[in-house]
Order: sequence, then C-alpha cells, then structure tokens
Amino acid sequence: QKEVEQDPGPLSVPEGAIVSLNCTYSNSAFQYFMWYRQYSRKGPELLMYTYSSGNKEDGRFTAQVDKSSKYISLFIRDSQPSDSATYLCAMRKDTGRRALTFGSGTRLQVQP
Amino acid sequence: EPEVTQTPSHQVTQMGQEVILRCVPISNHLYFYWYRQILGQKVEFLVSFYNNEISEKSEIFDDQFSVERPDGSNFTLKIRSTKLEDSAMYFCASSPGQNTGELFFGEGSRLTVL
Repeated sequence: QKEVEQDPGPLSVPEGAIVSLNCTYSNSAFQYFMWYRQYSRKGPELLMYTYSSGNKEDGRFTAQVDKSSKYISLFIRDSQPSDSATYLCAMRKDTGRRALTFGSGTRLQVQP
Repeated sequence: EPEVTQTPSHQVTQMGQEVILRCVPISNHLYFYWYRQILGQKVEFLVSFYNNEISEKSEIFDDQFSVERPDGSNFTLKIRSTKLEDSAMYFCASSPGQNTGELFFGEGSRLTVL
C-alpha cells in the first residue's frame, strides 16, 4: 500500500462548480497536512495547511482532515478557469522526519 | 511577498559533469530543503538542512549529492557526476521554524542530462 494515494484525474468541471479533491494515507503518524497547487513546469504553491484533524477555510478553499479515516479533502467553491492546475496533497509527521510525503497529484481542468 | 528564488531555471549538461543548483530561501526562514520531480512523477524529498548541517536525507541523496550554505543567503545543491536519471525538476524550499509544517517552494531548476 502506498503511503499517500491520490487520484491522478484528470478532473474536468464547468466554471462555477464545487470541486472536491482528496487523498488517503496509511501512516497514522502524519500530523501536518498541506495542499499545494502546481501549474505546469512551476513550483508547488502552498494553498492550505492544517495541523491534525478538523476543517480550515480560506476564501474559496476549504481543507478537511479526518484522521480516523486517514482521509483529507480540499474543496474549491465557485471554481474558475484559473484554478486549472495539478493539486498535490502533502503530509509530514510531528516529530522525527520533517520531510514531506507527496501524493501524485490530481489534474484539474475548469472549463469556461 | 517574499519568495524562494532558484537559478538556473534550466541547465543542460553532459553525463558525468558536475552541476550546482542555487537557491535563495526566504530571509527569516530557518529550514531549507531540496526536492526533485522527475517528469510525470511525484515530488520526492532529497534533503533538509538546519543550523548549517544536514538534518535528514532520503535514500536518493547518495554520495554524489551534497548541499552547502556558503554564505548567509545562498543554499546550493551539488551533483558531482550527473547520470541520465538525474534529469528532473529540482525544487528548493524553506520553512520558518520547527513547529510548522509549511514549506514554501521556489519555481524550480530543470536539469537535463544528455
């Protein structure tokens, strides 16, 4: 079983739709959870960062962490064509290793 | 807004040559990292650096790789003798402190080994 699994997509939605992206993980030691957006041939851009379980909202973005199910989600409301990118989940443990473990990314296309 | 900057944006080299990739992390950050992404694959951790020494490295980071902070602002990744399989995007990242998981990435340096 991979440590972090993410559906690669592509996911195509019409402009204005609510998008749901998610990752599952197997290591219960993960405590920090992040979502990055990556445009083609660019660096990952940090979108959302949460520690442990719960929800966090920032503008059109909401991140959810369910540690009991080892499942994290990113919701994008009122999606725009400029949201078209690859979305990467990433996570790390609280102590010891500081390295991030990334999912493979989900490619999102928002159609105007 | 402060950002991580990387140079060069693209480097082409012959197999067996040495390559140095450079990064200027965000100025008040304390932790520095290198990650790489082979085309079409996941972003993979290489090494983390804190207080002028390597704090963690992956199995990818073998003896042909080294990192250095030669002055107060630059952070470099050296690949001693490049192989074809080193072709990838190399991302530098920095984070503010110990009790945060937030990493901020640069735009990347694309390395092509011929």
